[in-house]
Amino acid sequence: ETGVTQTPRHLVMGMTNKKSLKCEQHLGHNAMYWYKQSAKKPLELMFVYSLEERVENNSVPSRFSPECPNSSHLFLHLHTLQPEDSALYLCASSPKTGAGTGNTIYFGEGSWLTVV
Amino acid sequence: LAKTTQPISMDSYEGQEVNITCSHNNIATNDYITWYQQFPSQGPRFIIQGYKTKVTNEVASLFIPADRKSSTLSLPRVSLSDTAVYYCLVGDVSGGSYIPTFGRGTSLIVHP
Repeated sequence: ETGVTQTPRHLVMGMTNKKSLKCEQHLGHNAMYWYKQSAKKPLELMFVYSLEERVENNSVPSRFSPECPNSSHLFLHLHTLQPEDSALYLCASSPKTGAGTGNTIYFGEGSWLTVV
Repeated sequence: LAKTTQPISMDSYEGQEVNITCSHNNIATNDYITWYQQFPSQGPRFIIQGYKTKVTNEVASLFIPADRKSSTLSLPRVSLSDTAVYYCLVGDVSGGSYIPTFGRGTSLIVHP
């Protein structure tokens, strides 16, 4: 138990569906992140939120839409996805928003997404 | 932005000590070095973190030379359950915010 909870753990959706992934952290952290991990590929950072403001978007397609209503919750809204978007989506949080201060990333267990 | 370089894969046997080295030539003065372990289908989890010299905890040691341009994760007496991908991470910053970008990591396979 890392203190970062993701739901659902598994999701199958069609290419025309709209679904959302949810992440909640119980650690009082100020920064939250979405990562994508495809089979046998490294972690790809998708979005960074610092104190509920988005500070980084690594050229992610607009069919992925993040939302951070407060510092404890993070959503990833999905619509008109492609089969190549099938992957493990990981949410993470860290105590601080700046680097160089011993920041540690805490990951959730991930949401397995399959697009059919 | 700081980048890291690690061996793609390593093999070892149960009971051996494993050392994984990470290069981070552009590490910033105030950056920490953090190592994570990832098992298949799970999120990475924290192993150890350090700034300089040597850090030891119950699962690993971290050796950082004076110039801090590299670091070595040492796993004593590995077991089959240590088979995983190991990532080293240094601080990336954009606009003052921490941008934790992982590299490819090192896939460690421990054989019986």
